[in-house]
Amino acid sequence: DQQVKQNSPSLSVQEGRISILNCDYTNSMFDYFLWYKKYPAEGPTFLISISSIKDKNEDGRFTVFLNKSAKHLSLHIVPSQPGDSAVYFCAATGRGAQKLVFGQGTRLTINP
Amino acid sequence: DTGVSQDPRHKITKRGQNVTFRCDPISEHNRLYWYRQTLGQGPEFLTYFQNEAQLEKSRLLSDRFSAERPKGSFSTLEIQRTEQGDSAMYLCASSQETPWNAAFFGQGTRLTVV
Repeated sequence: DQQVKQNSPSLSVQEGRISILNCDYTNSMFDYFLWYKKYPAEGPTFLISISSIKDKNEDGRFTVFLNKSAKHLSLHIVPSQPGDSAVYFCAATGRGAQKLVFGQGTRLTINP
Repeated sequence: DTGVSQDPRHKITKRGQNVTFRCDPISEHNRLYWYRQTLGQGPEFLTYFQNEAQLEKSRLLSDRFSAERPKGSFSTLEIQRTEQGDSAMYLCASSQETPWNAAFFGQGTRLTVV
């Protein structure tokens, strides 16, 4: 039962353009969502999060959008830079759950 | 360095041997998590501690797996009688107590069972 889904295994974007990574979830109890970035042979690095009481959160080049009715969130990176090339995971949790449930990841490649 | 620290970074072991991994969380974090990640998948939850109490275990954590967090500080994850299917990246993360805060991950321990 995949409660958090990232349906695009990979995404290729030109440097300077916008990268949009998508994530869908099925569990209505999830109320906190996070994005992590992972380089090979390293642990995931926290990027940005959003609570279900909001529909948008920005941090520099990164913006996360949450559409609760569609059970969908997205991460926008603008402008995209070569250092953004990595695997991006979305994760979700809910009240009392205490643990993060991760999607399968999307490999983002930024082309010069 | 005040991040989550894991040791060793890499471990190669023969099938049937026991292995133990260590995680040192961020000092002020009272929650500690173990996850496992295999190729092409996201991290999968294994177990979670709040201070020294192990509050949740995934069904992925078979009887061959045991985790401890004595005194609520560092944690160990032991795998007994390793199998080839145990080969994975084992990730430790820590976070502060609610309201929910992001979990911060260590660099992981890559286990290869041959």
